Amino acid sequence: GESVGLHLPTLSVQEGDNSIINCAYSNSASDYFIWYKQESGKGPQFIIDIRSNMDKRQGQRVTVLLNKTVKHLSLQIAATQPGDSAVYFCAETRTGANSKLTFGKGITLSVRP
Amino acid sequence: NAGVTQNPKFQVLKTGQSMTLQCAQDMNHNSMYWYRQDPGMGLRLIYYSASEGTTDKGEVPNGYNVSRLNKREFSLRLESAAPSQTSVYFCASNRDRGNYGYTFGSGTRLTVV
Repeated sequence: GESVGLHLPTLSVQEGDNSIINCAYSNSASDYFIWYKQESGKGPQFIIDIRSNMDKRQGQRVTVLLNKTVKHLSLQIAATQPGDSAVYFCAETRTGANSKLTFGKGITLSVRP
Repeated sequence: NAGVTQNPKFQVLKTGQSMTLQCAQDMNHNSMYWYRQDPGMGLRLIYYSASEGTTDKGEVPNGYNVSRLNKREFSLRLESAAPSQTSVYFCASNRDRGNYGYTFGSGTRLTVV
């Protein structure tokens, strides 16, 4: 069946470095993608989204890149801070009448001081 | 503007007891969702309500029932709790199905003993 997955379960980075979190998706019909951040004891928080008519979208310190050819999504965090330590999820869907998000299992980002 | 509010935040039940998890959103969203989150399993959809007056099963509906009380409120009921239902439960809402990102509540941590 269709699924969304993450390549690595954990990622450790030095404070101040840039972080790159990768996600592979298998549903070639998906046209909407989202990154969520979940801090310990809290609910997932929307970070940034991108639709399939775009390859790149930038937010504050975050950039999402979409490569539809290889069905790959990445989240780049610039100048990683201790507050960025969390679990990050990618999610995808094919928009339409019966659309629902499918979530990946998540990757833990740990920022070393 | 509170977003998505869940109650209670913590609950311990004995096997066989029943309870209702409450969820309310104040964003005038049409669609609402209930997820459970278990270690290593990611977010799994229990039930959802695409619009007021409709509910549908998700990936793991067994042992649960839902009620879309009105546009704001979507409750999840465990009729006879089992230890396998020990989990963290998240409610989410969005404007329209999977066509937009979800806003999550802060979760209910449920333990069934």
